[in-house]
Amino acid sequence: EVQLVESGGGLVKPGGSLRLSCAASGFIFKTYVMNWVRQAPGKGLEWVSCIGGSGTNTHYADSVKGRFTISRDNTKDSLYLQINSLRAEDTAVYYCARDLARTPLNWGQGTLVTVSS
Amino acid sequence: QTVVTQEPSFSVSPGGTVTLTCGLNSGSVSTDYYPSWYQQTPGQPPRTLIYSTSTRSSGVPDRFSGSILGNKAALTITGAQADDESDYYCILYMGGGIWVFGGGTKLTVL
Repeated sequence: EVQLVESGGGLVKPGGSLRLSCAASGFIFKTYVMNWVRQAPGKGLEWVSCIGGSGTNTHYADSVKGRFTISRDNTKDSLYLQINSLRAEDTAVYYCARDLARTPLNWGQGTLVTVSS
Repeated sequence: QTVVTQEPSFSVSPGGTVTLTCGLNSGSVSTDYYPSWYQQTPGQPPRTLIYSTSTRSSGVPDRFSGSILGNKAALTITGAQADDESDYYCILYMGGGIWVFGGGTKLTVL
């Protein structure tokens, strides 16, 4: 069974940084594209970033480009999202999702990031 | 800027059929966009219903179906049930490793 467990969220001040993690199990992690998707309180889903299986290819939404860095450690079956220069509008639940057929298919439960002074 | 459009809200009677759509502010949606559909209830992560236009995800009942209707992707729910009352999101693959979600449709069953 595919399992994705996010962690690392919390309360952080504007301008601060945070590193989110996603622990994967139940599948051969290194063979799948992985995504981060976020959802601000009461708002819709927003695709944030994806990374290829080897970790070489990464892509970002324009709204986070230059501040967010996606990475993975295939030896630990883990996905990461480094978030810098945090802004109030980055407040959201952050989900990791496994890609299949060009779709974020399997989802974790999410981790909440709150940016507030 | 690419905008993926969805109806903000829709209502359906129990047992009825409803079709939600997913379009583009410029251009037509085709299978090349790998349209997918998600269902989400408050406090829960999204649940994948349909991917690659019309493939049902594991465990999804066959009353949920996906297609291309005209210039949009479509999610049709036949025999709507009370627990279908949820938010529904579509996502389109824009190429170059970029995806864009629609704004979501709030479906009411009454």
